[in-house]
Amino acid sequence: AQKITQTQPGMFVQEKEAVTLDCTYDTSDPSYGLFWYKQPSSGEMIFLIYQGSYDQQNATEGRYSLNFQKARKSANLVISASQLGDSAMYFCAMGSKAAGNKLTFGGGTRVLVKP
Amino acid sequence: NAGVTQTPKFQVLKTGQSMTLQCAQDMNHEYMSWYRQDPGMGLRLIHYSVGAGITDQGEVPNGYNVSRSTTEDFPLRLLSAAPSQTSVYFCATSTGGRRPYGYTFGSGTRLTVV
Repeated sequence: AQKITQTQPGMFVQEKEAVTLDCTYDTSDPSYGLFWYKQPSSGEMIFLIYQGSYDQQNATEGRYSLNFQKARKSANLVISASQLGDSAMYFCAMGSKAAGNKLTFGGGTRVLVKP
Repeated sequence: NAGVTQTPKFQVLKTGQSMTLQCAQDMNHEYMSWYRQDPGMGLRLIHYSVGAGITDQGEVPNGYNVSRSTTEDFPLRLLSAAPSQTSVYFCATSTGGRRPYGYTFGSGTRLTVV
């Protein structure tokens, strides 16, 4: 079974500063993918970044980067130069072909960016 | 390109009523799934489908039925609504492990059962 744990229920970050959101996972599948989604107050789920378990390099997408430490089973999201529009819930999720490509979500971290 | 379309966006049901939440996609994705999100929580999988004619249960399937007769549509049926089914429901599609990776979500249906 797959499990995702996000230990930070909420956090404040100053505008223009970087913030790291923690995510640890557990799976017995050798091949899997890790995803981060943003959910603003409007409710939609916005895909941010993907990391494959066999990818050699950490994923980056604009101001988002994923600090992937496979041995520690962690996939932390780093948001650089925070903006007010980054205030939202952030969810870590994982999926694998062995698990039928179903996504398992963590409980989320609420980020509030202060001006 | 509409992506994933969910209807309705909002719905209020009385306990015991039945209804169908619609999900349609135009991306030719093989995988479709339904999730529910309760207040302050992550998403939990209800049912999923790996292709037309194939469905399976997720983490919280009780009280829901699905079918997948076409690639494009994956309706979710509530058989006899209960207050515990008050939630936001998301439909999601994916390419099933082929690039580009990622799941595309619909905008959600906010359901209240009174």
